[in-house]
Amino acid sequence: QVQLQESGPGLVKPSQTLSLTCTVSGGSISSGGYYWSWIRQHPGKGLEWIGYIYYSGSTYYNPSLKSRVTISVDTSKNQFSLKLSSVTAADTAVYYCARGVGYGERYFDYWGQGTLVTVSS
Amino acid sequence: EIVLTQSPGTLSLSPGERATLSCRASQSVSSSYLAWYQQKPGQAPRLLIYGASSRATGIPDRFSGSGSGTDFTLTISRLEPEDFAVYYCQQYGSSPATFGQGTKLEIK
Repeated sequence: QVQLQESGPGLVKPSQTLSLTCTVSGGSISSGGYYWSWIRQHPGKGLEWIGYIYYSGSTYYNPSLKSRVTISVDTSKNQFSLKLSSVTAADTAVYYCARGVGYGERYFDYWGQGTLVTVSS
Repeated sequence: EIVLTQSPGTLSLSPGERATLSCRASQSVSSSYLAWYQQKPGQAPRLLIYGASSRATGIPDRFSGSGSGTDFTLTISRLEPEDFAVYYCQQYGSSPATFGQGTKLEIK
């Protein structure tokens, strides 16, 4: 059973960089075939796909966030990470990591429990 | 990007009843690349349906999906108490992948 777990600071100051890591267990990122993803949910709102990375390092980002997002992978630790720069209060959300599968832009079959990140001074 | 509009916003039904949830896309979803998720308070979304009509592993057969083009439906044939939650559709046929705003299924 694949499991994903987000970790990182729950509070980030405005204009700083939000950094989160997702640790994958029960399966290897290096095995290929999956797109390791970040998705966020603003409080009481819907879901927004941020981007994903393949084990080779290829990345795909949502154009609305592309200028501020970097997703990286560390296959030796079976982890992938999210950096979101120049954050504002609008970036306050629950951030989920998830495994993207299938064709097209991928759907998501395994999710982490999510971590709330609040942007505030 | 494709905008998904879900209706109704809230659906009030009783256990044992049939639920029909709608997801309409602003343009055709290629290859019926549409998924449905269930989310309960404080939990991550759970994949129910992909490819518009294929049930994910372990999902009971009371959940079914249908539709193509711009109109998709999630049907729960006979509601169980654990089915009351928020349901989201997601299209993954065009970049970027997008989600609907959700339908809250509440106990009447």
